[in-house]
Amino acid sequence: EVQLVESGGGLVQPGGSLRLSCAASGFTFSNNWVHWVRQAPGKGLVWVSRINNDGSSTSYADSVKGRFTISRDNAKNTLYLQMNSLRAEDTAVYYCVVSLHYWGQGTLVTVSS
Amino acid sequence: DVVMTQSPLSLPVTLGQPASISCRSSQSLVYSDGNTYLNWFQQRPGQSPRRLIYEVSYRDSGVPDRFSGSGSGTDFTLKISRVEAEDVGVYYCMQGTHWPPWTFGQGTKVEIK
Repeated sequence: EVQLVESGGGLVQPGGSLRLSCAASGFTFSNNWVHWVRQAPGKGLVWVSRINNDGSSTSYADSVKGRFTISRDNAKNTLYLQMNSLRAEDTAVYYCVVSLHYWGQGTLVTVSS
Repeated sequence: DVVMTQSPLSLPVTLGQPASISCRSSQSLVYSDGNTYLNWFQQRPGQSPRRLIYEVSYRDSGVPDRFSGSGSGTDFTLKISRVEAEDVGVYYCMQGTHWPPWTFGQGTKVEIK
């Protein structure tokens, strides 16, 4: 059974940093592209970032480019999202999504003073 | 960026009756390999999204056959042949042809009359 478990969310002040993790199991993690998708409270889905199988290629939404960094450790079956210079508008549930098919349960990031 | 426009944004339906959601893209979603990367996702209240349909019309494993996808080019449709109570939620289309970014529609909220 495919399992994706996100962690690392929480309350952070504007300008602060957080690192999200997504632990994967039940499939061959290293064979798949992985994405982060976020959903602000009561709003729709927004794609944030993507990384290819071996981590050699990444993409970002314009809204997070230069502030967020996606990475992966295939030996640990884990995806990461380093989020710096956080803004109030980054407040959302962040989902780890494998091959745009399997979704985690999400982790809530709240940026507020 | 490709803009995905869904209609209607709210869809009250009667149990057992059909429902249809439209999704239009701002440019053709036919990729250079001949495939069309248009997905449909369902998000039930309080849950993570779940992919229902990929590449316009292919149902994911475990998706009831009352869900069907159709369309081509820039116009796509998700149909539910007979709505059941468990189908309540928000439905999103998403394109994966012209990336980055991958882009979602605004979402269509399906509720029971």
